[in-house]
Amino acid sequence: GAGVSQSPSNKVTEKGKDVELRCDPISGHTALYWYRQRLGQGLEFLIYFQGNSAPDKSGLPSDRFSAERTGESVSTLTIQRTQQEDSAVYLCASSSPGRGSLFEQYFGPGTRLTVT
Amino acid sequence: DQQVKQNSPSLSVQEGRISILNCDYTNSMFDYFLWYKKYPAEGPTFLISISSIKDKNEDGRFTVFLNKSAKHLSLHIVPSQPGDSAVYFCAASGSGGSNYKLTFGKGTLLTVNP
Repeated sequence: GAGVSQSPSNKVTEKGKDVELRCDPISGHTALYWYRQRLGQGLEFLIYFQGNSAPDKSGLPSDRFSAERTGESVSTLTIQRTQQEDSAVYLCASSSPGRGSLFEQYFGPGTRLTVT
Repeated sequence: DQQVKQNSPSLSVQEGRISILNCDYTNSMFDYFLWYKKYPAEGPTFLISISSIKDKNEDGRFTVFLNKSAKHLSLHIVPSQPGDSAVYFCAASGSGGSNYKLTFGKGTLLTVNP
């Protein structure tokens, strides 16, 4: 079946512009995650959605970052007034309910964001 | 403060030999550990996991060992194959309500030479 898809695959933007990144999770997966991977670093948790529960936004680095999810489908991550330190690969993942599988997150290919 | 550490940025082994990737953690609240493999331009893929109540989990050529007292885990790949060449990330999850949060190490680049 189809995996997690993300768009665009690459995005180059000028400092100060807003960007919107999209994630389509695996159908039926109620949990959706956004991560950021800066060069030479591990994955950094940003935000978590689970069904209709309030999202866990504790990993968002500043109020310039926001994310939305429509039901149990598409999610968008928006970065306003981008800064050069926002340059990174942004990864989306989804997982299905149940403790065992909750940790087995399925990742998309990521969006490489470059802020010039 | 890095709570999950992979101190070897890279590792090179010969095809057919054993690959051992190491991971250390500092947070004693972590109770579930995972290894992910990542090829260039792709997202990480889940490889194998282990709960803190176990000290070993095996899946085919992949075995993960956990030493809770040392806060150390390792991934063994036997025999190593060229297709195993990738970046391997160690990740950990805590107990409680936010157990969905994974804390990742920086990764180890494994190169298996034919």
